[in-house]
Amino acid sequence: GAVVSQHPSWVICKSGTSVKIECRSLDFQATTMFWYRQFPKQSLMLMATSNEGSKATYEQGVEKDKFLINHASLTLSTLTVTSAHPEDSSFYICSARDRQSGSETDTQYFGPGTRLTVL
Amino acid sequence: AQSVTQPDIHITVSEGASLELRCNYSYGATPYLFWYVQSPGQGLQLLLKYFSGDTLVQGIKGFEAEFKRTQSSFNLRKPSVHWSDAAEYFCAVGATGGSQGNLIFGKGTKLSVKP
Repeated sequence: GAVVSQHPSWVICKSGTSVKIECRSLDFQATTMFWYRQFPKQSLMLMATSNEGSKATYEQGVEKDKFLINHASLTLSTLTVTSAHPEDSSFYICSARDRQSGSETDTQYFGPGTRLTVL
Repeated sequence: AQSVTQPDIHITVSEGASLELRCNYSYGATPYLFWYVQSPGQGLQLLLKYFSGDTLVQGIKGFEAEFKRTQSSFNLRKPSVHWSDAAEYFCAVGATGGSQGNLIFGKGTKLSVKP
């Protein structure tokens, strides 16, 4: 089945540093990937939609200069949290949609998530 | 705007008992509905989905869900719960029409299973 990986699975960093999180589709090509953020005991909130070869579309209230998204290939999207602060600590989850599916409502496959802790 | 409501924050059932998790949605057209399960510290696994056709949908791990248009509901059921089913369950609706297919999630229902 479709597998999405994320790296790292957890990261601890100092305030003011930048952190990069990778999202890879392992056995399919994904023209579209999504980045979600999940606070403890809360639901997933969509941060941005990433399309291969073009700029990401950010949801209202998400700072695009702080959360840099790059989708350079059909199997890789990266989220960089720049100048991280403690309030950025969260669980970040990506998902990918299979390119061959076609329909915009087809299934998204989720990565295992990345736990970010900013000290 | 689309929205998803999961009225129950936490449910506890005995192992072997039946389960029903509630989900109500708000959407202006035919919805695309999903149920996902999340184990602690893990990503989401798709249990089942409804796009069209038969309103009773079968999923993995013995789960099923029924789409009821008149009630705007998509409740998840399992006839006999196993201890390994303890997890967080999320209902989601697919946002279409230019939104590139992103999902809107409910707040989740945490399922605990008593031995």
